[in-house]
Amino acid sequence: AQRVTQPEKLLSVFKGAPVELKCNYSYSGSPELFWYVQYSRQRLQLLLRHISRESIKGFTADLNKGETSFHLKKPFAQEEDSAMYYCALSVANAGGTSYGKLTFGQGTILTVHP
Amino acid sequence: KAGVTQTPRYLIKTRGQQVTLSCSPISGHRSVSWYQQTPGQGLQFLFEYFSETQRNKGNFPGRFSGRQFSNSRSEMNVSTLELGDSALYLCASSLGGTGFSEQYFGPGTRLTVT
Repeated sequence: AQRVTQPEKLLSVFKGAPVELKCNYSYSGSPELFWYVQYSRQRLQLLLRHISRESIKGFTADLNKGETSFHLKKPFAQEEDSAMYYCALSVANAGGTSYGKLTFGQGTILTVHP
Repeated sequence: KAGVTQTPRYLIKTRGQQVTLSCSPISGHRSVSWYQQTPGQGLQFLFEYFSETQRNKGNFPGRFSGRQFSNSRSEMNVSTLELGDSALYLCASSLGGTGFSEQYFGPGTRLTVT
């Protein structure tokens, strides 16, 4: 069975400081990894997907299969980045029909102080 | 385009009762996934429906069931409610089919079991 671990429940940084939210996963196959974000009083939404290799709102995440990690990074945090961040995993089966099933980590609350 | 809607937004039930929650997906989306969110267990996948068929299932007891209608609207039912069923129930819709399509989450239904 797959599992996602986010070791930090809370993370506080100052504006302009680098931020890294940690995510480790366990799955014997080739998973797809995602980061979801929930801003205050808003819905859970997709931030980025490892396959796209995009930088969204200045955030990047690299899948490290050797360390089974998918840490989220931003070089200069902004106050508007304060939110709950979830790392999630999906198992892409041969038919590609498992994307509707996400396994989430426990989440990290990021607070960026002015 | 209207987002995912869930009704009701809040619900209070008594142990032993049953409850039905509703989810209306984004127009054109054929996949609906359900998740349970609790402080202790975090976000856990319940099941996914695609074209009126359950496509993926999580590890929840048989008291939790769902269905999807021809217009892609979905309902989930919990029978014989227990105190531990108190949670925020989220649904998410996506285009579905094979390959990746982003999940869009609803605001959730807050269920309290007394």
